[in-house]
Amino acid sequence: AQKITQTQPGMFVQEKEAVTLDCTYDTSDQSYGLFWYKQPSSGEMIFLIYQGSYDEQNATEGRYSLNFQKARKSANLVISASQLGDSAMYFCAMKRAAGNKLTFGGGTRVLVKP
Amino acid sequence: SAVISQKPSRDICQRGTSLTIQCQVDSQVTMMFWYRQQPGQSLTLIATANQGSEATYESGFVIDKFPISRPNLTFSTLTVSNMSPEDSSIYLCSVDSGASGGLQYFGPGTRLTVL
Repeated sequence: AQKITQTQPGMFVQEKEAVTLDCTYDTSDQSYGLFWYKQPSSGEMIFLIYQGSYDEQNATEGRYSLNFQKARKSANLVISASQLGDSAMYFCAMKRAAGNKLTFGGGTRVLVKP
Repeated sequence: SAVISQKPSRDICQRGTSLTIQCQVDSQVTMMFWYRQQPGQSLTLIATANQGSEATYESGFVIDKFPISRPNLTFSTLTVSNMSPEDSSIYLCSVDSGASGGLQYFGPGTRLTVL
C-alpha cells in the first residue's frame, strides 16, 4: 500500500520569505505521480504542482517548486516569496501509474505572518 | 481545467436522515471520485464512479451507507444515508483531468454537520 507522510503539522513563515514543506512517500512502484494541493479555509482543493517519477527535472509553477529526490522518496514543496494568501493547508498526494486513486498525506498548515 | 460545482455547499442535518450531494462538471469526464474529509483530517477516497457501471468502493465504505449515481458523463450524486454525528465531514467530488499523471480537479466541497 502507498503511504504519504507529512511530518510538519503546522508552520509559521514570515511574509516574503520562502518555506519548504516536507513530503516523503513509500511505494514499491517505479511509475507514479506526485501532487501538491492547497486547501484554504473555504475547503476547496487547489492543484499546485505535479512531478512524475520519471521526470528528470524538478517541477516548477510560478512561486511553487518541487524538490524531488527519488532515491530518498521525498517530494518537498518550496513556496518562494510567501504571501498572506498562502496561509492554508497543504497536502501532498501520490497516484500509482496503475489505478486512479490519489493517496493523501496528513497535511501541513501554513500561516504566513505579516 | 474542468469547472466543478457541488450542491449544497453546506448543510446541517439531523441524525437518522439522509442527504444527497450533487456534483456537476462543465465537460464530459470518464471518472469521477468522491472523497471524505473528517474534521482536522486528510482526504479519504470513498468511491470511484464511472458512467454506466456500478461505483467502486474503497475499503471501509459500503454502498448501503454511501449510494452513488452516475447517470451521465457530467453529473454524479453521493447520498450519505442514515446519518450520525460521525458523518460530519467535508465531502468533495473530483474528476480525472485526462492529463498525464492522473491529475484530479476538485469541486468546492460540501460541508456537512450532523446533529
